[in-house]
Amino acid sequence: AQTVTQSQPEMSVQEAETVTLSCTYDTSESDYYLFWYKQPPSRQMILVIRQEAYKQQNATENRFSVNFQKAAKSFSLKISDSQLGDAAMYFCAYKGRETSGSRLTFGEGTQLTVNP
Amino acid sequence: DSGVTQTPKHLITATGQRVTLRCSPRSGDLSVYWYQQSLDQGLQFLIQYYNGEERAKGNILERFSAQQFPDLHSELNLSSLELGDSALYFCASSVVPDKETQYFGPGTRLLVL
Repeated sequence: AQTVTQSQPEMSVQEAETVTLSCTYDTSESDYYLFWYKQPPSRQMILVIRQEAYKQQNATENRFSVNFQKAAKSFSLKISDSQLGDAAMYFCAYKGRETSGSRLTFGEGTQLTVNP
Repeated sequence: DSGVTQTPKHLITATGQRVTLRCSPRSGDLSVYWYQQSLDQGLQFLIQYYNGEERAKGNILERFSAQQFPDLHSELNLSSLELGDSALYFCASSVVPDKETQYFGPGTRLLVL
């Protein structure tokens, strides 16, 4: 079974600084997707960024970028120029294309605090 | 706003009762997913429907059931409720199952007393 691990339960960053959230996963599949979702205090799950495993280029969305290391099964999220509105729980998620169907498998989450 | 709607937003009920949670997917999305977020279990996949048919099952209890109707809205039925069923229940939708992005609704917060 696929597993997703986020080893940092909590992180903090100063406003305008850069922070990196870590995620590792375990899978035997070769074709899959990886996601970062953000859950602010409202509890809404908001898609931050998506990476297709067959693409070597790291995904980027404005201030958010990933470092995808397929061989190491690592998928970290970098937030640049952190803003107060970035404070939230961040979840890393995996979706396989082969045996695991379309379900998302989530990590435990990392609570990000942004200090003014 | 993801375009996925869920009702009700909050639900308070007693042990042993039965409740129904409702989800309307984004316009054009054929696939609906249900997830449970609890403090001790984290975010877990429950069940998936595609165009009215059950597609995949996860850690869904036998006391729970779901269906997707011809208009593509979905309902999750929770019966014989226990204290441990208290959680945030999310619905998500995607165009088709293999399309990579699932968009989440705002969730239904269930409290069982």
